[in-house]
Amino acid sequence: DQQVKQNSPSLSVQEGRISILNCDYTNSMFDYFLWYKKYPAEGPTFLISISSIKDKNEDGRFTVFLNKSAKHLSLHIVPSQPGDSAVYFCAAATQGGSEKLVFGKGTKLTVNP
Amino acid sequence: DAGVIQSPRHEVTEMGQEVTLRCKPISGHNSLFWYRQTMMRGLELLIYFNNNVPIDDSGMPEDRFSAKMPNASFSTLKIQPSEPRDSAVYFCAANWDPGGELFFGEGSRLTVL
Repeated sequence: DQQVKQNSPSLSVQEGRISILNCDYTNSMFDYFLWYKKYPAEGPTFLISISSIKDKNEDGRFTVFLNKSAKHLSLHIVPSQPGDSAVYFCAAATQGGSEKLVFGKGTKLTVNP
Repeated sequence: DAGVIQSPRHEVTEMGQEVTLRCKPISGHNSLFWYRQTMMRGLELLIYFNNNVPIDDSGMPEDRFSAKMPNASFSTLKIQPSEPRDSAVYFCAANWDPGGELFFGEGSRLTVL
């Protein structure tokens, strides 16, 4: 049973437009969420995170929104750039509890020039 | 710091052979994780260690899989005997804080024929 779901395997956007990647989770104990970016032949790298005490966290072109009641989070990239083309993984954890990060299956983002 | 180092980067072997994947975490990281990435299941946690002690191996798929961490600077993931369905990319990752940002290696791509 997937506790973290990324229902869109792929997303294609034009350079300069907004990219919105979505993630849903089922475990209400999750209170810390992260996004990782992965380029081909490389390991995932940390992008941005958000704690459940917040509903928004921003870092440059990247913003993560958290809707706890809906158990939903999203990553917004604006403006999108061709270098953002990668697979994005959503991950969730329980702070102060297990060290395990539970990942979604990933969404492949393609930003077209 | 060179980051998390994995070897080999690529391994092609025949069904029934033993496979050993290696990981050298970043100095000072107290937790080490082994993940497997497949198209069908995304990033799955196989096992993680804290201070060299296995904490949770519930993700290890079968008894054919075993992992060790004899010291803080080295870990192995062994598959014996290997099967074609074990073909995947295996990632080693490490962190300092429970549930926090993970630092991944570049992965070991395993192909079992």
